[in-house]
Amino acid sequence: DIQMTQSPSTLAASVGDRVTITCRASQDIRGWLAWHQQKPGKAPTLLIYEASTLQSGVPSRFSGSGSGTEFTLTISSLQPDDSATYYCQQYDRYPPTFGGGTKVQIK
Amino acid sequence: EGQLVESGGGLVQPGGSLRLSCAASRFTFSTYPMHWVRQSPGKGLEWVSGIGASDGATHYADSVKARFTVSRDNSKNTLYLQINSLRDDDTAVYYCAKEEYGSGNCGTFGVWGQGTVVTVSS
Repeated sequence: DIQMTQSPSTLAASVGDRVTITCRASQDIRGWLAWHQQKPGKAPTLLIYEASTLQSGVPSRFSGSGSGTEFTLTISSLQPDDSATYYCQQYDRYPPTFGGGTKVQIK
Repeated sequence: EGQLVESGGGLVQPGGSLRLSCAASRFTFSTYPMHWVRQSPGKGLEWVSGIGASDGATHYADSVKARFTVSRDNSKNTLYLQINSLRDDDTAVYYCAKEEYGSGNCGTFGVWGQGTVVTVSS
């Protein structure tokens, strides 16, 4: 199975800060990477697919980049509503696998 | 986009069984692959099983193979997960999810249900 490793596992930043989360795959997954956001007690929601394509309705302050084995999720200007856990997920091949998550807290 | 509503969770003893259901609406259910993803208390997300749209091909995580069975009834717009021989580590919130974007091999999840809780305990 392809292992997905996220860093950091937690981060705290101030409103307006630029935030970057990294996701590394144990094998080449080309561009088949998604990012999901999960708020406490809620189901996840899809933010980005194919490494950099924003899902409909997702604010433009979110962006994704990368290919192969290294990917990043960037929030250009952190907002209070962005407090959540973020998961990367590869879908290059079965089984689809998730990173361990990055919890983003607002200072 | 669509809506998914899970049901069927509950408290069950180790070794017991449950059937989870996921009712789909507001999209053409029969044309999308569907999946189950679970989340143990305080933990991350774990993909459990998936089923193809037209061919009904099924896939399972190694941790549930031979114990879980995924199926779908396209006439009822419903996805199912039969879970047998339940173990303590099957305790989790079980989400159904609609596959919206694929690589040709696998996909990611554009719509998620609200989840149903399965608790395995004696």
